[in-house]
Amino acid sequence: DTGVSQNPRHKITKRGQNVTFRCDPISEHNRLYWYRQTLGQGPEFLTYFQNEAQLEKSRLLSDRFSAERPKGSFSTLEIQRTEQGDSAMYLCASSSGTGGIRCFGPGTRLTVT
Amino acid sequence: QQQVKQSPQSLIVQKGGISIINCAYENTAFDYFPWYQQFPGKGPALLIAIRPDVSEKKEGRFTISFNKSAKQFSLHIMDSQPGASATYFCAASINTGNQFYFGTGTSLTVIP
Repeated sequence: DTGVSQNPRHKITKRGQNVTFRCDPISEHNRLYWYRQTLGQGPEFLTYFQNEAQLEKSRLLSDRFSAERPKGSFSTLEIQRTEQGDSAMYLCASSSGTGGIRCFGPGTRLTVT
Repeated sequence: QQQVKQSPQSLIVQKGGISIINCAYENTAFDYFPWYQQFPGKGPALLIAIRPDVSEKKEGRFTISFNKSAKQFSLHIMDSQPGASATYFCAASINTGNQFYFGTGTSLTVIP
């Protein structure tokens, strides 16, 4: 399978706990994106990387959120001190830059209780 | 604020019918307009995309119509089939590599 993979697929956590998600992009893609999707809404941009450099961050990405892409390969998204409003599907995508996003990963569904 | 406005929120079409979903945008710097299809439990997948230098693009049953002066674009699904029942999102971006702004989605149901 050469698509974008995300782990875990589901995460249930209590308010105030920290969580970390992982995204493995398509291997030859140099751009990696994180989006958040809530029920009945379109994906909202969070951040993106070109190789290991984080080029843009949304204002949605509060200081409780941090993303990394060491060595320009997989990426992690960490949410500290989770709040109920963080409950959403977190989607990852990758692209070669010129071709746009063809497919998102299956997402990690976060539920904060 | 919503950069891309999408309508309708939901759509029910008979098998074989035409499904039409509309989107509008304000930012004239947008130069890439993709449509995505999302099935339950899956991430969105690219269906078809258009750039503002053409007014129409067709791929199989899917056609994008683009009206640059009105800042509107639409997706037409011809001969709609039950397997096309999914949520459809329009999006827009400045260059293909930057962040995408998505519409709120249209839930399409094709009745057999």
